[in-house]
Amino acid sequence: DIVMTQSHKFMSTSVGDRVTITCKASQDVNIVVAWYEQKPGQSPKLLIYSASYRYTGVPDRFTGSGSGTDFTFTISSVQAEDLAVYYCQQHYSTPYTFGGGTKLEIK
Amino acid sequence: DVQLQESGPGLVKPSQSLSLTCSVTDYSITSGYYWNWIRQFPGNKLEWMGYISYDGNNNYNPSLKNRISITRDTSKNQFFLKLNSVTTEDTATYYCVGDSVIRFDYWGQGTTLTVSS
Repeated sequence: DIVMTQSHKFMSTSVGDRVTITCKASQDVNIVVAWYEQKPGQSPKLLIYSASYRYTGVPDRFTGSGSGTDFTFTISSVQAEDLAVYYCQQHYSTPYTFGGGTKLEIK
Repeated sequence: DVQLQESGPGLVKPSQSLSLTCSVTDYSITSGYYWNWIRQFPGNKLEWMGYISYDGNNNYNPSLKNRISITRDTSKNQFFLKLNSVTTEDTATYYCVGDSVIRFDYWGQGTTLTVSS
């Protein structure tokens, strides 16, 4: 199985800050990586697919980049409503796998 | 927009089988997409369990070995998860999810399942 590693389980930031979350795949997954946001009590919601494409309706403060094994997800100016857990996920091959999640805490 | 809604028993005893239903609205499950089950354990780890495709093919996570079956009823626009021989380690929130090949687009709200005697 392809292991997706998010090195930070928690990140603390302030409103207006720029924050970057990293994700590393255990083998080359090309650009077939997605990022999801899960707010408390809700199901995950797709934000970014194919490493850098913003899904319909997603604000442009959310961006993704990377290819191969190294990926990043950035919020350019954090808002209070961005309090959530963010997951990377590879859709390159089955079994599809997720990173462990990074919980964004707003100071 | 495509909507998915899970339903299930909430509580199952160890060694029994788990059966969940996903009802899909505003899109025919035979028109396209892959229809998945994903679960989230206490502590938030997400695990892909498997899918049934728009044309009826299955793909399962090998970690579930021979315990899993995903089927569908096209007349009701529903698909189903059956998991045999459950243990307490199957306690999780179960999501049904529509997948357009490169991403998990549409998620249900999730149904919580507890395995306990």
